[in-house]
Amino acid sequence: NAGVTQTPKFRILKIGQSMTLQCTQDMNHNYMYWYRQDPGMGLKLIYYSVGAGITDKGEVPNGYNVSRSTTEDFPLRLELAAPSQTSVYFCASTERGYQDTQYFGPGTRLTVL
Amino acid sequence: QQQVKQSPQSLIVQKGGISIINCAYENTAFDYFPWYQQFPGKGPALLIAIRPDVSEKKEGRFTISFNKSAKQFSLHIMDSQPGDSATYFCAARAYSGGYQKVTFGTGTKLQVIP
Repeated sequence: NAGVTQTPKFRILKIGQSMTLQCTQDMNHNYMYWYRQDPGMGLKLIYYSVGAGITDKGEVPNGYNVSRSTTEDFPLRLELAAPSQTSVYFCASTERGYQDTQYFGPGTRLTVL
Repeated sequence: QQQVKQSPQSLIVQKGGISIINCAYENTAFDYFPWYQQFPGKGPALLIAIRPDVSEKKEGRFTISFNKSAKQFSLHIMDSQPGDSATYFCAARAYSGGYQKVTFGTGTKLQVIP
């Protein structure tokens, strides 16, 4: 199993551009998450999904959109990129259960200039 | 009420010493407390976790101590090694509206010096 994969690893955007961060998991997990990690701020939840076709907002959803058309894929869309969206983005997945482990992808480092 | 407060922000320990990272929470709905380890350029990975009905859990050199009445839990790394140098996040999970939500602490950057 590859686990959770993310593409791209790095990206530089200009203000106002759009892009999609890709996330795929091959563990047949129901739950998937997008986090952003800023220095000294820990991980903040952007959006999450409890299954295909079901998504909901996390703590910091403004400026982002998601979709979940399949169990495997959970892309994160940035529309009209802003410098405040400069961060490292992590996708994670979890199998439903009591002592769930969140499996994280390797991250995408995004810079908006 | 969803916050998890973590301290210290950074920690330098000599090889062979004990590293201690502390976390505190307010929300009594949290039912699972994992610790994640993150190396530079990598995603966080589960290190060890504890449920609130247990006061201590040990896995190798890593121990979680949990004080339910004080709403505090801590990670102890015994015989710390340079390879333990990483950022450590405590976290707490609660179920809300049928789904689980994990709240992370702000992280502790540990440096173990030879």
